[in-house]
Amino acid sequence: DAKTTQPNSMESNEEEPVHLPCNHSTISGTDYIHWYRQLPSQGPEYVIHGLTSNVNNRMASLAIAEDRKSSTLILHRATLRDAAVYYCILRGANSKLTFGKGITLSVRP
Amino acid sequence: DAGVIQSPRHEVTEMGQEVTLRCKPISGHNSLFWYRQTMMRGLELLIYFNNNVPIDDSGMPEDRFSAKMPNASFSTLKIQPSEPRDSAVYFCASSFAESRGNQPQHFGDGTRLSIL
Repeated sequence: DAKTTQPNSMESNEEEPVHLPCNHSTISGTDYIHWYRQLPSQGPEYVIHGLTSNVNNRMASLAIAEDRKSSTLILHRATLRDAAVYYCILRGANSKLTFGKGITLSVRP
Repeated sequence: DAGVIQSPRHEVTEMGQEVTLRCKPISGHNSLFWYRQTMMRGLELLIYFNNNVPIDDSGMPEDRFSAKMPNASFSTLKIQPSEPRDSAVYFCASSFAESRGNQPQHFGDGTRLSIL
């Protein structure tokens, strides 16, 4: 499975936008980019996924670079409840969801 | 809508005892996954089922672990005999079966297992 690289941690201020980067230089043409998050003491939660085009849903936006070697998860207005570990995962056909260490997002009031 | 339901939420037992973890997937989902999370190893896939059939159990640590899915609405993960190193949070997840890699998985709240 192609690997992803994320910073270990990031801090943001409440009510400001947050951009969480992910590098995946070895992505293959059929790999989907998935984002999950895990709040303290909870199971992972699906956030968003995309293939080539940018995606928006009620939780976040996913911006995918034209060469697909990187992507950015965008939280438009961070809240304290968004403090979590965010995982960027590549998933191809018939492949497993493999979680790395993710990026720990802290939100300051 | 009911999400993935796991029971028990917490389990504390002594080494050597049998432990059974239970999972009810989201109705209509036909793939089910068991994961284990520890500080040392992070979140690992143990086994997954498609249409109640085990597809990949390469993540199951050893013969003490077994998983079954007798029907589309129920699965168990059993550890017998349990050991202290099995202490972890165990998550169950479900999704629609797919082959392209684009189906989201929905996770339960997990079972926190402590083996004394």
